[in-house]
Amino acid sequence: AQSVSQHNHHVILSEAASLELGCNYSYGGTVNLFWYVQYPGQHLQLLLKYFSGDPLVKGIKGFEAEFIKSKFSFNLRKPSVQWSDTAEYFCAVNSGGYQKVTFGIGTKLQVIP
Amino acid sequence: GAVVSQHPSWVICKSGTSVKIECRSLDFQATTMFWYRQFPKQSLMLMATSNEGSKATYEQGVEKDKFLINHASLTLSTLTVTSAHPEDSSFYICSAPIAFSGTDTQYFGPGTRLTVL
Repeated sequence: AQSVSQHNHHVILSEAASLELGCNYSYGGTVNLFWYVQYPGQHLQLLLKYFSGDPLVKGIKGFEAEFIKSKFSFNLRKPSVQWSDTAEYFCAVNSGGYQKVTFGIGTKLQVIP
Repeated sequence: GAVVSQHPSWVICKSGTSVKIECRSLDFQATTMFWYRQFPKQSLMLMATSNEGSKATYEQGVEKDKFLINHASLTLSTLTVTSAHPEDSSFYICSAPIAFSGTDTQYFGPGTRLTVL
């Protein structure tokens, strides 16, 4: 069975600080990896995804994530956060096709102006 | 982009009553939809896979007689919480996948907050 662990449950940063949110997954086969974001009062939105190819994936709003297969990791990064990045971030994995997506517990990011 | 809607967005009901939640794919067809449940400060937990034209597939520990799923058409799936109890109070989210080049991306509805008194 696949599982996802997110190491940081609550992160507080000042504006312009750099961000890295950890995500590790456990699954032996080929995986698809996702980061979703949920802004306050809004529904889940896809931030970025990795299916294959370049392991460094760029998403919306300046976010990027790097797939490191040897470490089973897919960490999310942003060089300079903004107050508007305050949200909850979920790492997720599935094994392709229409199979179920497994989510991490989520990381609540609070950016202080 | 693809849009998934849910109705209602918020419902309060009395214990023992049944509540129906709708999930619609507005601009695409979805033979499969997923239903999740999210407790406060916890992740989304997959409850079941809704399949158009056939029975839903439930995850381990989810009571299929309590959470009735009907995938009536290629754009509509419904989740009915039967004989609701306060412990069923939660945030219910549906999603529908769209395949791109053999892999899929899921689009999520805005969620339905159920409060059972």
